[in-house]
Amino acid sequence: KAGVTQTPRYLIKTRGQQVTLSCSPISGHRSVSWYQQTPGQGLQFLFEYFSETQRNKGNFPGRFSGRQFSNSRSEMNVSTLELGDSALYLCASSLGPAEGTDTQYFGPGTRLTVL
Amino acid sequence: GESVGLHLPTLSVQEGDNSIINCAYSNSASDYFIWYKQESGKGPQFIIDIRSNMDKRQGQRVTVLLNKTVKHLSLQIAATQPGDSAVYFCAENGGSTLGRLYFGRGTQLTVWP
Repeated sequence: KAGVTQTPRYLIKTRGQQVTLSCSPISGHRSVSWYQQTPGQGLQFLFEYFSETQRNKGNFPGRFSGRQFSNSRSEMNVSTLELGDSALYLCASSLGPAEGTDTQYFGPGTRLTVL
Repeated sequence: GESVGLHLPTLSVQEGDNSIINCAYSNSASDYFIWYKQESGKGPQFIIDIRSNMDKRQGQRVTVLLNKTVKHLSLQIAATQPGDSAVYFCAENGGSTLGRLYFGRGTQLTVWP
């Protein structure tokens, strides 16, 4: 079974631009979570989608948004990019729990550099 | 807020030795814990998980121990190999089932021959 895929793998943008990142979960997984990883802050939760609905959101400004499609693929968007948005953006998928927390499997990430 | 931390930021071991990576958490509501391994340039890779109704779980060469009394989690790697060199993260769910994990800062494990 193929793992979580993320595109693109690398992006270079300038301040003020916007960016869209894509994530395809493992086949059969319906929950997608997004995380930002930086050397200073570590791994921080952005948001989670299940059945096209955002169920949970981390403490990030409104410039960070996302959505999920009916095939469970997800995108996240960052508008008005700032230098501090430079990070590795990770997507993780899981079955989507009927009960309890289930295992999240991560993709390789998208490395975003803001100049 | 939730806090997941690691006792040691770096750990160096000799090939063949056993490794122990420790993690402390603060949210007593957490009922699911997971260890990930992250190699340079890659996303975190699932190693092993444990739920709060257990205090020990074993996998292939790895064992996770959970002590809920002192809110402590550890990962033991038996017969550590050079391929085990990576950053190891513990994570907890904070008691939530809504797809959010709280991560520790990570421990860099280096295995030398």
